[in-house]
Amino acid sequence: GDSVTQMEGPVTLSEEAFLTINCTYTATGYPSLFWYVQYPGEGLQLLLKATKADDKGSNKGFEATYRKETTSFHLEKGSVQVSDSAVYFCALSDSAGYSTLTFGKGTMLLVSP
Amino acid sequence: DADVTQTPRNRITKTGKRIMLECSQTKGHDRMYWYRQDPGLGLRLIYYSFDVKDINKGEISDGYSVSRQAQAKFSLSLESAIPNQTALYFCATSSSGGYNEQFFGPGTRLTVL
Repeated sequence: GDSVTQMEGPVTLSEEAFLTINCTYTATGYPSLFWYVQYPGEGLQLLLKATKADDKGSNKGFEATYRKETTSFHLEKGSVQVSDSAVYFCALSDSAGYSTLTFGKGTMLLVSP
Repeated sequence: DADVTQTPRNRITKTGKRIMLECSQTKGHDRMYWYRQDPGLGLRLIYYSFDVKDINKGEISDGYSVSRQAQAKFSLSLESAIPNQTALYFCATSSSGGYNEQFFGPGTRLTVL
């Protein structure tokens, strides 16, 4: 079945550091890929998405590129802020029209001033 | 007003009690989902519904039941709550016309003593 593997956290960074959170997936066909963010005490929010190979999703300074050859969708940000501290989830929806989302276990990011 | 609302936001109950968690949405989406979140385990799908007459079991449906009362309402019931059902529960919605990006409610924190 489908699966998503994320790097374990917490990831601790200083403000303005470069961020990478690794995500790899296993799926048949051509899944759509997502990054969700969960701020403390809140529900999940869609951060960005990519629906086909080589697509780059971007939002709020975050980027991720759909790499089919390496089955990866790594999240990056050039300069993190304290307000980016949250849990980040990678997820996929397989190419069948009636599929559900498969989530990774989440990676906590802690950014210090 | 929030697009996806959940009630209650917090609930403490005792072992053996019946509990209902409710979800309402104003996004006009046809698909609705229930997840539970446990530390270190990410989100796991309990039940999902692709329209009012469609109910499907997810990864961890044992001990839970659902009711889709209308397109906008999807309730989750614990018939006889047990302590290992203590978790954070999220409702989500999506449109059948998109790439299955899901929109989440704020969550219900349930504690079973």
